[in-house]
Amino acid sequence: GQQLNQSPQSMFIQEGEDVSMNCTSSSIFNTWLWYKQDPGEGPVLLIALYKAGELTSNGRLTAQFGITRKDSFLNISASIPSDVGIYFCAGQGYGGSQGNLIFGKGTKLSVKP
Amino acid sequence: EAEVAQSPRYKITEKSQAVAFWCDPISGHATLYWYRQILGQGPELLVQFQDESVVDDSQLPKDRFSAERLKGVDSTLKIQPAELGDSAMYLCASSLAQYHRDSNSPLHFGNGTRLTVT
Repeated sequence: GQQLNQSPQSMFIQEGEDVSMNCTSSSIFNTWLWYKQDPGEGPVLLIALYKAGELTSNGRLTAQFGITRKDSFLNISASIPSDVGIYFCAGQGYGGSQGNLIFGKGTKLSVKP
Repeated sequence: EAEVAQSPRYKITEKSQAVAFWCDPISGHATLYWYRQILGQGPELLVQFQDESVVDDSQLPKDRFSAERLKGVDSTLKIQPAELGDSAMYLCASSLAQYHRDSNSPLHFGNGTRLTVT
């Protein structure tokens, strides 16, 4: 079945540093989504990408849909303590069994003030 | 902003007991999903509804799990009997359409029900 490889698994950074995380897939996706999850809460959508090559920003967050449609990355600039949490990528194919939204295992971000 | 409502937030039950979770999606969202999230993992799809019809339940352990969305609005997920390995966060999500690129409407999650089976 489809699998997403998300890396790194965890990151420990200093406040103010930039962060980069990525997801790769063995299959082509038509949609990439990035979510953030705080403890005890449901994932909250950060950025949605629908077109190969698309680069989208949301404040200090920037995400790109890879040209091959098999990867995506998320960058966070000038990290702050409230960026702490688990970040998930999710990809969706198109049609039949490819239509399910598949999630990566998450990147746990810790920010030292 | 509209939210996906889930209840209860927390549930502790003994193994072999029955347990049920409820979800009310964002108004107008035709597609409803139940996901299970084991600690330290990403969400995994259990069942997907389009209106009142099941679109995909291939990952639902049907010997003990059941889900319904009778009127195509709110939904219930049931486990009977619960097993120790069912301890997890159960997340409900909804979207306007099955394929998010069709409607530019991504998936929105509720805050989940944390189930502990003892």
